[in-house]
Amino acid sequence: AQTVTQSQPEMSVQEAETVTLSCTYDTSESDYYLFWYKQPPSRQMILVIRQEAYKQQNATENRFSVNFQKAAKSFSLKISDSQLGDAAMYFCAYRSALRGVSEDMRFGAGTRLTVKP
Amino acid sequence: DVKVTQSSRYLVKRTGEKVFLECVQDMDHENMFWYRQDPGLGLRLIYFSYDVKMKEKGDIPEGYSVSREKKERFSLILESASTNQTSMYLCATHGRWVAFFGQGTRLTVV
Repeated sequence: AQTVTQSQPEMSVQEAETVTLSCTYDTSESDYYLFWYKQPPSRQMILVIRQEAYKQQNATENRFSVNFQKAAKSFSLKISDSQLGDAAMYFCAYRSALRGVSEDMRFGAGTRLTVKP
Repeated sequence: DVKVTQSSRYLVKRTGEKVFLECVQDMDHENMFWYRQDPGLGLRLIYFSYDVKMKEKGDIPEGYSVSREKKERFSLILESASTNQTSMYLCATHGRWVAFFGQGTRLTVV
């Protein structure tokens, strides 16, 4: 079974600075998707960024970018120019591509990000 | 604007009670999922359904059951609530590229 590991339970960053959240995963599959989800306090989980395993290019969404290292099974999230609204729990997630949307997702334990003004 | 709606944000139930958590999606998706979220453990899959009246066990189905009578509604049932089922419960449905989550139900069993 696939597993996702987030080794940083908590991280802190100064406003306007850059922070990187780590994620590693274990799988024997070659086709899959990786995601970072954000869960603000008392609010719904939302997608931050996704990466398809077959794409070598790292995904980028505005201030958010990933460093996808397929051979190392590593998928880190970099947040640039951190803002107070970035404070949240961040979850790394894996989804196999075998059964399409019927596949469940595997989540890491989460990293709680604090942004200091 | 797509929506996944869970019937309650907060619930307090007594040990031994039968508890129903309801989830409704308006995206016409065939799949729906129930996850449990606990500190330090992330989200763990309880049950999922890929079609009406179909269900599959996830990683932690013990003590839970589900019902999917209509495409848009997926119910999680705690047959006899216990204190170790105190947790945050998240309903979700998957699109091609992204999962959509409900706002969560924080259940406390006393």
